[in-house]
Amino acid sequence: AQSVTQPDIHITVSEGASLELRCNYSYGATPYLFWYVQSPGQGLQLLLKYFSGDTLVQGIKGFEAEFKRSQSSFNLRKPSVHWSDAAEYFCAVASGSARQLTFGSGTQLTVLP
Amino acid sequence: DAGITQSPRYKITETGRQVTLMCHQTWSHSYMFWYRQDLGHGLRLIYYSAAADITDKGEVPDGYVVSRSKTENFPLTLESATRSQTSVYFCASSEGWAAAEQYFGPGTRLTVT
Repeated sequence: AQSVTQPDIHITVSEGASLELRCNYSYGATPYLFWYVQSPGQGLQLLLKYFSGDTLVQGIKGFEAEFKRSQSSFNLRKPSVHWSDAAEYFCAVASGSARQLTFGSGTQLTVLP
Repeated sequence: DAGITQSPRYKITETGRQVTLMCHQTWSHSYMFWYRQDLGHGLRLIYYSAAADITDKGEVPDGYVVSRSKTENFPLTLESATRSQTSVYFCASSEGWAAAEQYFGPGTRLTVT
């Protein structure tokens, strides 16, 4: 069965600093990979997704993620964090045959002024 | 207004009561999903539907019932609520199956006393 691990429950960064959120997946073939963001009291919004092709994908709000097959990872990055980026971030995976997404447990991001 | 809505946004009910959470989308998306969100677990899929009158179980379906008589509506019923069903429930919709972007509603916070 596919699974997703987000090893960092909570990350704190200063505004303007760079950010990297980790995501590791478990699946035999190339999965479909997603990052979603959840602002307080809101539903989830898609940041970016990877299906195939270029392993570096660009998303909304200045985020990017890199698929590394050898490490089974799909880490999310942003070069300079803004206070409005404070939220919870979820990595998710779907296999080629699965008709559902499997979410990680999330990483809560706090941004210090 | 276009989008996906959930009602009620907040609900308190007693153990053993039946409660129905409503979900409505205006995009005519084929797929609809119900998730529950609990601390430390991320989002877990309860049920999903590929089209009207087609539903299937997700990861945690026990204690829940769904129906989909119309494409735009996907209600979730807790037939006899238990305290373990206290959670935040999210409805989502998408044009395709898991590989397509899912659009999430704002969530329903349910407390079972």
